[in-house]
Amino acid sequence: NAGVTQTPKFRILKIGQSMTLQCTQDMNHNYMYWYRQDPGMGLKLIYYSVGAGITDKGEVPNGYNVSRSTTEDFPLRLELAAPSQTSVYFCASSYYQETQYFGPGTRLLVL
Amino acid sequence: QQQVKQSPQSLIVQKGGISIINCAYENTAFDYFPWYQQFPGKGPALLIAIRPDVSEKKEGRFTISFNKSAKQFSLHIMDSQPGDSATYFCAALFSGGGADGLTFGKGTHLIIQP
Repeated sequence: NAGVTQTPKFRILKIGQSMTLQCTQDMNHNYMYWYRQDPGMGLKLIYYSVGAGITDKGEVPNGYNVSRSTTEDFPLRLELAAPSQTSVYFCASSYYQETQYFGPGTRLLVL
Repeated sequence: QQQVKQSPQSLIVQKGGISIINCAYENTAFDYFPWYQQFPGKGPALLIAIRPDVSEKKEGRFTISFNKSAKQFSLHIMDSQPGDSATYFCAALFSGGGADGLTFGKGTHLIIQP
C-alpha cells in the first residue's frame, strides 16, 4: 500500500513550456485534490475531484488543468509555465472529505 | 480574504516545554478542524482533528482546545521533543459544502531546542 505517489519529485521548466504532474493513489479514495504550497503561505487548493469524470476548480485554478479518467489517477497539467507557478505541488486523496492523505510533493521551478 | 489565521509564524521551545499554536477562523460553517505536521521535504500528515461539538481532544502529547464562541482553536504539544520540530498547519473544512478542500493557515515553524 503506497498511499499517494507523485512524480516527478523535482522539475525545472522554462517559461512557456508545459508539463504534467502525476498523482496516483491506491486507497480507492473518491476524493482527490491538488494544492500548491508557497513559502509562508500555507497550502491553497488548485483543483479537486469527487470521482472519476468529475472535477472542479479550487481557489487558485488559473494556468492549470486537470482530468480524472480513473479513480486512481489525477494528473495536473501546466500549460505555458510562468515564474508565478514556481511552487511545491501536493496531491491529496480522501475517502470522505475530512481525512486527507498527502503525497510527498513535486517541487517545480520555472525560469 | 484569509479565513484561517494562524499564530505565531515561528516558535522556539525548550525540550520538555509546552508548545502552543493558535488559530482563528471566520466562517462559522466550518465543522472540522485538523492539524497537520510537515517535515522538510515531505507532505503534510494529519496529526489530530476536532469537531465543534467538543471543546478538547487529546491524543498522546497532542491536545486540541476548541472555543466555538470565540471561533478559535489551538494545538498544545506537551513535553515537547526535538523530534517535534516541524511546520504545523491548522486547517478548517465545511464538510457539507461540497468537496472544496481544506482551508489552511499559513503555518508555524516550530523548533524544539535540546
